[in-house]
Amino acid sequence: SQQGEEDPQALSIQEGENATMNCSYKTSINNLQWYRQNSGRGLVHLILIRSNEREKHSGRLRVTLDTSKKSSSLLITASRAADTASYFCATDEGGSEKLVFGKGTKLTVNP
Amino acid sequence: GAVVSQHPSRVICKSGTSVKIECRSLDFQATTMFWYRQFPKQSLMLMATSNEGSKATYEQGVEKDKFLINHASLTLSTLTVTSAHPEDSSFYICSAGRSTDTQYFGPGTRLTVL
Repeated sequence: SQQGEEDPQALSIQEGENATMNCSYKTSINNLQWYRQNSGRGLVHLILIRSNEREKHSGRLRVTLDTSKKSSSLLITASRAADTASYFCATDEGGSEKLVFGKGTKLTVNP
Repeated sequence: GAVVSQHPSRVICKSGTSVKIECRSLDFQATTMFWYRQFPKQSLMLMATSNEGSKATYEQGVEKDKFLINHASLTLSTLTVTSAHPEDSSFYICSAGRSTDTQYFGPGTRLTVL
């Protein structure tokens, strides 16, 4: 079942701009993760944020989590053309190892 | 980081044939692996959980006789698409986790059924 819902579905920006993607989910979670997928490739894990955390940083990435609203955001600062990819949020299901993925946001960073 | 491989990366087969896809964890042991399916421009849908030494757990709507999963060792799980049809054409991705937190994904297998 699809739990995470990202928005926007597609985002096109210029290099150097910031990109913000949002994700909403429906049930209680232990953690939420963001993944990146280049076209036709596997997924790369970007960042994990636990349910008791509100914000986390990793390089140019900033993730927030609002469990009261069941939502998360991924901010990529100073975007580069190489950031062009699809980004998915994924939540654990009932604390198991199973991941439920959102529909994803396709990000295009124009040089 | 942990590495998960898949083989083959791309396969084209005729309708009615069976195709086996391998998923290996290269530098760690995984008692559980997951198989996902991804249609073009869509998200990943979990098909089944592969458990080492026991039967796989399939998600609702996934035919277990159609998608045979074998997890023979702590580093290898296989997915066999039996009697493949064009509608089975998709991108199949496996994942394995060292812990409950982080899953490492394979590079995926593109299956095209003619």
